Amino acid sequence: QVQLQQWGAGLLKPSETLPLTCTVYGGSLSGYYWSWIRQTPGKGLEWIGEINPSGDTNYNPSLKSRVTTSIDTSKNQFSLKMTSVTAADTAVYYCARGLYFRSGRNPSYWYFDLWGRGTLVTVSP
Amino acid sequence: SELTQDPVVSVALGQIVRITCQGDSLRHYYASWYQQKPGQAPILVIYGKDNRPSGIPDRFSGSNSGNTASLTITGAQAEDEADYFCNSRDITGNHVLFGGGTKLTVL
Repeated sequence: QVQLQQWGAGLLKPSETLPLTCTVYGGSLSGYYWSWIRQTPGKGLEWIGEINPSGDTNYNPSLKSRVTTSIDTSKNQFSLKMTSVTAADTAVYYCARGLYFRSGRNPSYWYFDLWGRGTLVTVSP
Repeated sequence: SELTQDPVVSVALGQIVRITCQGDSLRHYYASWYQQKPGQAPILVIYGKDNRPSGIPDRFSGSNSGNTASLTITGAQAEDEADYFCNSRDITGNHVLFGGGTKLTVL
């Protein structure tokens, strides 16, 4: 059974850099898109960015200037770094596995079939 | 582009409820749907044209028409009370979108 185990800093001060890492157990990185998603308390889900095993990345335009994702296929893990955090970045951060099936004539398929348990990140002076 | 959901929907126990999601990207992507209960990570309940992952009850179904996707629960149960989020990629395919979520109350 494939599982995502995530870890990283839980408490940060404003202006610091948030590091998070997600390790894939029981499966491979190949063939998937690996995303970071966050959820502020009582709010909805916000996609942060993604990376594939080739190292191709996409980011949420609103966060792109502060976010970097990386992938280490030898360790079966991927990571997120978010710079210059503020209180507005306080949230639960999830890693997730995405599947993408592009279709020419019919709608394409996209979905997250596996999620990490989430890491609460608090930014406070 | 964005995905729009009704913030709150309620349903009587055992009845049918439909949760909708609207957005231009849904003309190009099937919506996926996630259930989230308090303190838990989201779980996938519907993906593609109308597919359920293993372990998801068959009372959950999905449909798509034009720019609107729907999640239908036929015979809502108390344990279905949760937040539901729709998801797709944007029209360019370069970004991922989430709807704002629908809080489902089972009366």
